Amino acid sequence: DAGITQSPRYKITETGRQVTLMCHQTWSHSYMFWYRQDLGHGLRLIYYSAAADITDKGEVPDGYVVSRSKTENFPLTLESATRSQTSVYFCASSESKALIHNEQFFGPGTRLTVL
Amino acid sequence: AQSVTQPDIHITVSEGASLELRCNYSYGATPYLFWYVQSPGQGLQLLLKYFSGDTLVQGIKGFEAEFKRSQSSFNLRKPSVHWSDAAEYFCAVGARSSASKIIFGSGTRLSIRP
Repeated sequence: DAGITQSPRYKITETGRQVTLMCHQTWSHSYMFWYRQDLGHGLRLIYYSAAADITDKGEVPDGYVVSRSKTENFPLTLESATRSQTSVYFCASSESKALIHNEQFFGPGTRLTVL
Repeated sequence: AQSVTQPDIHITVSEGASLELRCNYSYGATPYLFWYVQSPGQGLQLLLKYFSGDTLVQGIKGFEAEFKRSQSSFNLRKPSVHWSDAAEYFCAVGARSSASKIIFGSGTRLSIRP
């Protein structure tokens, strides 16, 4: 199916474990983003990528690692999960770097619980 | 740095009543402004956006928003809400100098009273 997908949709893990959240988009959009959504904070940008092999930090990058070897995929890894990383994670993509043309399209989200 | 404030955490309105959701932003120049809607269990969908020109912006699903520079506001309105409008609404601001980053407000949850 066309669009932006995330997997898994739900994940429960334990403190200290490594977790990878997957994001895949079929539009060949240049830009991809990872946000976390927490009550009272709205969405906060974790990392973003302007193209394959180009990534940059957002507002809350600590504890996360990203890679982008292919344009369509943008995985987010929690190298050693902590309880504070319990959240809903959204991936998004956009076609252009110019905000005037930049509608960000969001995936359905991954609900991560760290015990 | 830009920031966004949505002062209302939760609003309940009756079906058929009018709606206004408040959004105030902080930014040194004219920002890009957005409203997104998030239905339960779903990702965010863009309702409307303002970049320049006419300060009254029309969006999808019958929503509109008005940019008021003097008040640093970008309030979302709808003349008559439907039960299907129950959702979380996010205002967001983007800086013209930072093309890839958007700052989101904390959201307003809208409930509809039958």
